[in-house]
Amino acid sequence: NAGVTQTPKFRVLKTGQSMTLLCAQDMNHEYMYWYRQDPGMGLRLIHYSVGEGTTAKGEVPDGYNVSRLKKQNFLLGLESAAPSQTSVYFCASRGTDSTGELFFGEGSRLTVL
Amino acid sequence: GQNIDQPTEMTATEGAIVQINCTYQTSGFNGLFWYQQHAGEAPTFLSYNVLDGLEEKGRFSSFLSRSKGYSYLLLKELQMKDSASYLCAVIDWDYQLIWGAGTKLIIKP
Repeated sequence: NAGVTQTPKFRVLKTGQSMTLLCAQDMNHEYMYWYRQDPGMGLRLIHYSVGEGTTAKGEVPDGYNVSRLKKQNFLLGLESAAPSQTSVYFCASRGTDSTGELFFGEGSRLTVL
Repeated sequence: GQNIDQPTEMTATEGAIVQINCTYQTSGFNGLFWYQQHAGEAPTFLSYNVLDGLEEKGRFSSFLSRSKGYSYLLLKELQMKDSASYLCAVIDWDYQLIWGAGTKLIIKP
């Protein structure tokens, strides 16, 4: 009963370093999302994908890149980490029912020093 | 612009009833979700409303008025484990989710 799995759960980076967060879902969902959550600001959409091979920008895409080479995986990359990217990152997925609920991963806590 | 408003924080007593309000102004409307999020955890689904009226699910109920751009989540017989943040989210014309900042609910004995 895996659902949505994110790795790593925790990471500390130095300014300028790069890294990739991996999201994997086993529910055959078409739609996948990357959010960041900061205190008092709710969930903000970084990038999303409506199917394998497609990606689109969300509300706060700058400094991030994504790829959806396989339907079950959605990768979030930080090209050159900045302290402003310190946050909790959540991946989510949902099926083709456009009003279907989102299933979330457990979150990845990233600290950039 | 698109906007969802919820109170930042609410306090209630164990065993009591609390109502968390959500008002929205969005480009189109295709439904409204309520999610619960415990500190340090991922959000989990509570309810979905697309038609006006009340949806009841155990101790939790959710109400929607599309004409007023308004929803509320009603929690009855409050338990300590209900201490969490409650997130309101609206599906807009493009079937994208617009999230409120969440309401932190504190339950006192």
